[in-house]
Amino acid sequence: GAGVSQSPSNKVTEKGKDVELRCDPISGHTALYWYRQRLGQGLEFLIYFQGNSAPDKSGLPSDRFSAERTGESVSTLTIQRTQQEDSAVYLCASSLFVGYTFGSGTRLTVV
Amino acid sequence: EDQVTQSPEALRLQEGESSSLNCSYTVSGLRGLFWYRQDPGKGPEFLFTLYSAGEEKEKERLKATLTKKESFLHITAPKPEDSATYLCAVQGGGYSGSRLTFGEGTQLTVNP
Repeated sequence: GAGVSQSPSNKVTEKGKDVELRCDPISGHTALYWYRQRLGQGLEFLIYFQGNSAPDKSGLPSDRFSAERTGESVSTLTIQRTQQEDSAVYLCASSLFVGYTFGSGTRLTVV
Repeated sequence: EDQVTQSPEALRLQEGESSSLNCSYTVSGLRGLFWYRQDPGKGPEFLFTLYSAGEEKEKERLKATLTKKESFLHITAPKPEDSATYLCAVQGGGYSGSRLTFGEGTQLTVNP
């Protein structure tokens, strides 16, 4: 596609529920990244995919967070048993060489 | 560990009042320094990549410069539509691998 697409754009969930966030990268971009941005804060790295493998998942904050990617296409970030501190904007970016193109993010609110 | 510090946290300018934003960084083997613009409710939008000290890039009213320890984003005669949060990030070649490490941003407001 022309840009990085994320869905849903907004998600409100109850504490303890599981959520899935989706990212469609730019076609042909081999690298895909997930970041988290809490209100008023900078971007926090979560995980990096090269193709469908994840050479760097050191930013995942706990074992409640997981992510997968199908080939060089769609990625899903799953948060299990959501907590209020998970409330944030989750941003996905894709890249071919140097630098990223970001999606508009999914705003997750845990109530 | 790569680190990025941006200053000031917030900057308020009058239309036409030029200024600069600062990005100080430490990185193991700089592969690139990036500037992004982020509007409320949107993802960061790419502005510039700088690769080596002494490099400069320009786009409309914005000019980015790079030294071995910091980068500046110069804004000349800003307009209200330049109001946004400006993010600086570095990509290193060491432990951090391919990830970008971001600063917390400078929130710029340009008043008419």
